[in-house]
Amino acid sequence: SQELEQSPQSLIVQEGKNLTINCTSSKTLYGLYWYKQKYGEGLIFLMMLQKGGEEKSHEKITAKLDEKKQQSSLHITASQPSHAGIYLCGADESYSQKLVFGQGTRLTINP
Amino acid sequence: ETGVTQSPTHLIKTRGQQVTLRCSSQSGHNTVSWYQQALGQGPQFIFQYYREEENGRGNFPPRFSGLQFPNYSSELNVNALELDDSALYLCASSRVDRGSTEAFFGQGTRLTVV
Repeated sequence: SQELEQSPQSLIVQEGKNLTINCTSSKTLYGLYWYKQKYGEGLIFLMMLQKGGEEKSHEKITAKLDEKKQQSSLHITASQPSHAGIYLCGADESYSQKLVFGQGTRLTINP
Repeated sequence: ETGVTQSPTHLIKTRGQQVTLRCSSQSGHNTVSWYQQALGQGPQFIFQYYREEENGRGNFPPRFSGLQFPNYSSELNVNALELDDSALYLCASSRVDRGSTEAFFGQGTRLTVV
């Protein structure tokens, strides 16, 4: 079955710095989702990627899916305290919306 | 605001009891998926309902069951609760008959089994 590995598991950065979170799959990704979660709360949809080489941006967050569709990265530029939380990548194996998730990356932003 | 609401937000139950969690889907969505998220882990897929029928199940025992209603709202039922069932339960609504679309999550129900 599909497995997703996120790295790093936790990240502490100074406010204003850039950062990258990676998500690697054991299989080809047909759909890759990025979500943000505040502790103990629901998941906030960030972006969905489907095509090899696809890149999407929203405000200061950019997500990319590599050409082989087995690795995705999430890049945050000029981090702010509001970016703090847990970032989760989820894979859709067959366009069925039955998502397999990575274990999450906990991001802390220091002022 | 995703338009997906879950109730209740928190719940405490005793081992062996039964629990029902509820989810109302976003307008226009016909599919609901349920996930269990243990502390410090990513969500795990429990099952999905599409047009009132189960449409796939993850590695969860039969004491986890569900329903989807004509208005596309959904319930997750768990019988014979165990301590390990303590987790955040999330539902996600989407529309899968138009290709892959965004799945929007509710705020979750925190279940504690004592």
